Amino acid sequence: EVLLVESGGGLAQPGGSLSLSCAVSGLSFRNFAMSWVRQAPGKGLEWVSAISDSGGNIYYADSVKGRVTISRVNSENTVYLQMKSLRAEDTAFYYCVKDQYDILESGFDYWGRGTLVTVSS
Amino acid sequence: HSALTQPASVSGSPGQSVTISCTGTRSDVGAYGYVSWYQQHPGQAPKLILYHVNSRPSGVSSRFSGSKSGITASLTISGLQAEDEAEYYCSSYTHYSSLLFGGGTKLTVL
Repeated sequence: EVLLVESGGGLAQPGGSLSLSCAVSGLSFRNFAMSWVRQAPGKGLEWVSAISDSGGNIYYADSVKGRVTISRVNSENTVYLQMKSLRAEDTAFYYCVKDQYDILESGFDYWGRGTLVTVSS
Repeated sequence: HSALTQPASVSGSPGQSVTISCTGTRSDVGAYGYVSWYQQHPGQAPKLILYHVNSRPSGVSSRFSGSKSGITASLTISGLQAEDEAEYYCSSYTHYSSLLFGGGTKLTVL
């Protein structure tokens, strides 16, 4: 069974930082690109960032560029999302997702359950 | 870059067909055949139901089909069932090496 389990969400102050982790099991993690997708409560989906299977190619949405860093450790089957200079509009459920085939081109076939990030003073 | 445009809501009766549109630009939907569709039930993570405009992942019903013309992609659900009631999102790869989602469409089965 493929499992993606996010952790690290919580309450952060505006301007603060938070680091999310996603532990992946049940597949050959090193063979697949991964992304983070977020969803504000009651709102739609927003792609945040993607990282290729080797970590050599990284992409960010304009809304988070310069404030977010995606990384992965293939030996640990884990992908990370470091967030800084947090804003109220970053409040959302953050989903860890797996690319089905080529990065960003073939849809996300596995999703975690999400971790809630709340930015508030 | 703005989200793809979807109707806020659509509805249909059991057994009928409904179509949900997803309009982008020549830099995303119009440029590539990399459109995907997701189904999301309340309180659950989204589920991939179509990719590459009209390819279905294993296990997804053949009642779901997709198409694309110019800058608009469409999802058609035939033989509507009560379980199809959900939020539907399109997504597209973009010229800027990014991904855009649509705003979502709530499907109500009457």
